[in-house]
Amino acid sequence: QKEVEQNSGPLSVPEGAIASLNCTYSDRVSQSFFWYRQYSGKSPELIMSIYSNGDKEDGRFTAQLNKASQYVSLLIRDSQPSDSATYLCAVNIPNQFYFGTGTSLTVIP
Amino acid sequence: DAGITQSPRHKVTETGTPVTLRCHQTENHRYMYWYRQDPGHGLRLIHYSYGVKDTDKGEVSDGYSVSRSKTEDFLLTLESATSSQTSVYFCAIREDLNEQFFGPGTRLTVL
Repeated sequence: QKEVEQNSGPLSVPEGAIASLNCTYSDRVSQSFFWYRQYSGKSPELIMSIYSNGDKEDGRFTAQLNKASQYVSLLIRDSQPSDSATYLCAVNIPNQFYFGTGTSLTVIP
Repeated sequence: DAGITQSPRHKVTETGTPVTLRCHQTENHRYMYWYRQDPGHGLRLIHYSYGVKDTDKGEVSDGYSVSRSKTEDFLLTLESATSSQTSVYFCAIREDLNEQFFGPGTRLTVL
């Protein structure tokens, strides 16, 4: 059973639109939740972390966490071509981290 | 930049040879991690360390060993490389609030 599930995509949105990325996780003891962006051939880059239920906003990014439903999402407002990348969801269970396989996002100019 | 370097960045080796990858950090982080990333599998944890000489297994540890004799260095060893270990290997450190930051990666090809 996979710990973290994401739709692999690809997800395509026009420039300026909102991109919505979703992630579900299986382990209820999960404590911390993260979104990473990974450009092709590069290492993952942390863009958002969230620890409690609700929304957390940072610039054009909003992370949403619902522990009862075991899902975490990422909204990207005013999407730009430079947002085109693979987005990885990660979940922390004490001392270990589990990653989804990633969602590929393409922002069309 | 979390001050993480990995060496080598690229390596091609033959089946059955030993391989050691090095992760070096400059900011005295206690926790360090080794992952592999493969298409269709995402990032998977191989081993991690929670201090000098303190290590533990991750979900894909078979065929790998690690050592941490100094805070700044975490070594990953493939005792006898196999083609199934062809992958991109990432090292990471963990900061406060459990945030992980990754090194630039090592692309390993086992022929």
